Amino acid sequence: DADVTQTPRNRITKTGKRIMLECSQTKGHDRMYWYRQDPGLGLRLIYYSFDVKDINKGEISDGYSVSRQAQAKFSLSLESAIPNQTALYFCATSPGQGAVGGELFFGEGSRLTVL
Amino acid sequence: LAKTTQPISMDSYEGQEVNITCSHNNIATNDYITWYQQFPSQGPRFIIQGYKTKVTNEVASLFIPADRKSSTLSLPRVSLSDTAVYYCLVGDFEMGYALNFGKGTSLLVTP
Repeated sequence: DADVTQTPRNRITKTGKRIMLECSQTKGHDRMYWYRQDPGLGLRLIYYSFDVKDINKGEISDGYSVSRQAQAKFSLSLESAIPNQTALYFCATSPGQGAVGGELFFGEGSRLTVL
Repeated sequence: LAKTTQPISMDSYEGQEVNITCSHNNIATNDYITWYQQFPSQGPRFIIQGYKTKVTNEVASLFIPADRKSSTLSLPRVSLSDTAVYYCLVGDFEMGYALNFGKGTSLLVTP
């Protein structure tokens, strides 16, 4: 089983619908992240959390919200989806400690299409 | 937060050594340099991390000059399966700097 699991893996929805992407991890890491990837634009950080009580906005947080329900769970919500939020979304975790604190472990991605 | 600059794309033939250089002129004292590899429709995968001089692991080497304003990822004898996008990240990860990937370098390896 994957250490970082994202659900759903694929989702097609309509403009204006509320969508939640879920991420769970079994690595025991404190730090979790949500990224968005669009063709040719690399990965852009949406939100990140360094522990259950710590939530931070990333580069492109507008239109998104997050919830850190537990150390192992970090959910991304689109309150009212719009077509330009069509993208591949990745969840990641990191231990955040020591010299290799920067190593990120990624989920398999959630492909979202907003019609 | 250190800004990084990488070539957009590179081409290589199988069996050659590939060097991808990343420029990070405003790197801070506590910043580490980390490289990731990403295949289409997959999450990035950690390749190597370093602070100064040279780091080598089973898949790559990372060269960092004394001034640390750049770094070079070296992939020895690439194969077709090394075709991917490579990202250079710079940051003080323990202090919590956001980890922005940028656009990366798209490497194409051909026979």
